[in-house]
Amino acid sequence: ELKVEQNPLFLSMQEGKNYTIYCNYSTTSDRLYWYRQDPGKSLESLFVLLSNGAVKQEGRLMASLDTKARLSTLHITAAVHDLSATYFCAVDQLGFGNEKLTFGTGTRLTIIP
Amino acid sequence: DADVTQTPRNRITKTGKRIMLECSQTKGHDRMYWYRQDPGLGLRLIYYSFDVKDINKGEISDGYSVSRQAQAKFSLSLESAIPNQTALYFCATSALGGQETQYFGPGTRLLVL
Repeated sequence: ELKVEQNPLFLSMQEGKNYTIYCNYSTTSDRLYWYRQDPGKSLESLFVLLSNGAVKQEGRLMASLDTKARLSTLHITAAVHDLSATYFCAVDQLGFGNEKLTFGTGTRLTIIP
Repeated sequence: DADVTQTPRNRITKTGKRIMLECSQTKGHDRMYWYRQDPGLGLRLIYYSFDVKDINKGEISDGYSVSRQAQAKFSLSLESAIPNQTALYFCATSALGGQETQYFGPGTRLLVL
């Protein structure tokens, strides 16, 4: 059974600081997805990582995937208040793409002025 | 207009009642999913469908049933609602091929009294 663990579960950080969210998973997969959820809202796709060594960047967020270590990271650079949200990683169970995802429990990020 | 819509957006019902949550999409995707979100547990897959004739159970299908009426429509039913089915329910769609993410609807907030 595929298990996906995120840490930390809760993170408060000051504006301007850097931090990393970690996503570990238990079985082989080379496809990983990151989503953002604002309170009371739906999930918004951030990144799709489709191979070992993949790195994607959008603004102050950068995601990477190491399939050998079964680890993905979401790095936040110079945090701003707008990045406050819950971030989820999800791993494809079947190995062929986005057919069947297992989600981590999420990291609730709060950016403090 | 939203690509993935869900109705109703909010629903209060009583224990033992049958209710149906509906999902429609205009993205032209073959694959549709129902998830449940509970605080601290992330999203868990209830049922998924890769095409109109293909229905599969997810990790928490007990107490739920689904119907894929057309490519664009996927309904989730609670035959006899119970309080621990109180949760936020999301529908999602994805395209064949696995190169893209899943796209989520706005969610249905269900309270079972």
